[in-house]
Amino acid sequence: QSVLTQPPSASGTPGQRVTISCSGSSSSIGSNSVNWYQQLPGTAPKLLIYSNNQRPSGVPDRFSGSKSGTSASLAISGLQSEDEADYYCAAWDDSLNGVVFGGGTKLTVL
Amino acid sequence: QVQLVESGGGVVQPGRSLRLSCAASQFTFSFYSIHWVRQAPGKGLQWVAVISNDGSKEYYADSVKGRFTISRDNSKNTLYLQMNSLRVEDTAVYYCARQLRGYNYGSIDYWGQGTQVTVSS
Repeated sequence: QSVLTQPPSASGTPGQRVTISCSGSSSSIGSNSVNWYQQLPGTAPKLLIYSNNQRPSGVPDRFSGSKSGTSASLAISGLQSEDEADYYCAAWDDSLNGVVFGGGTKLTVL
Repeated sequence: QVQLVESGGGVVQPGRSLRLSCAASQFTFSFYSIHWVRQAPGKGLQWVAVISNDGSKEYYADSVKGRFTISRDNSKNTLYLQMNSLRVEDTAVYYCARQLRGYNYGSIDYWGQGTQVTVSS
């Protein structure tokens, strides 16, 4: 069971906007910034969003992140077939003194 | 382009040891904290450990504390993970990953391709 809670699956049609939630606690998301990763099948994860809402160079602005209290969200607008992947949230946890990941959300583009 | 190349994985019996290595290149290794993150077959990402840029601080997941040791040799641009008393549940792909400088632990900007560790009798 993961410390951060994500829905196991999400879906949308091309062009649609989808959001993926990530719920934590006061010692994780409530106290630290949230990061999001995209993992395409058979590949290593890729940083998508860091520090709650910052995009690394090269990540399309279709991807955005937000945080409120002990929860965070990843939004993907203008959904494309190549967005089909697993998405993970992560944050430092002050109580565990370690990085915690969400269980992952498998995004299907219908 | 930043490169992180893991090695040392393989098949090992429960209770035995294994040492993973991660060779870094194309960046100043001694400036960055580095993580180990693993992924069991068909499962999600699980953080294992992190070491600060100068090796003075180490943090571990509870599931590996006391069994695994993270270390680094900045003169060789290499990260290590010594894994002792291995268990079947340690079976996973192990990724070496670079911490984004200046941000909270958990912001990982580059990942290696991973090395497979299988613990089986």
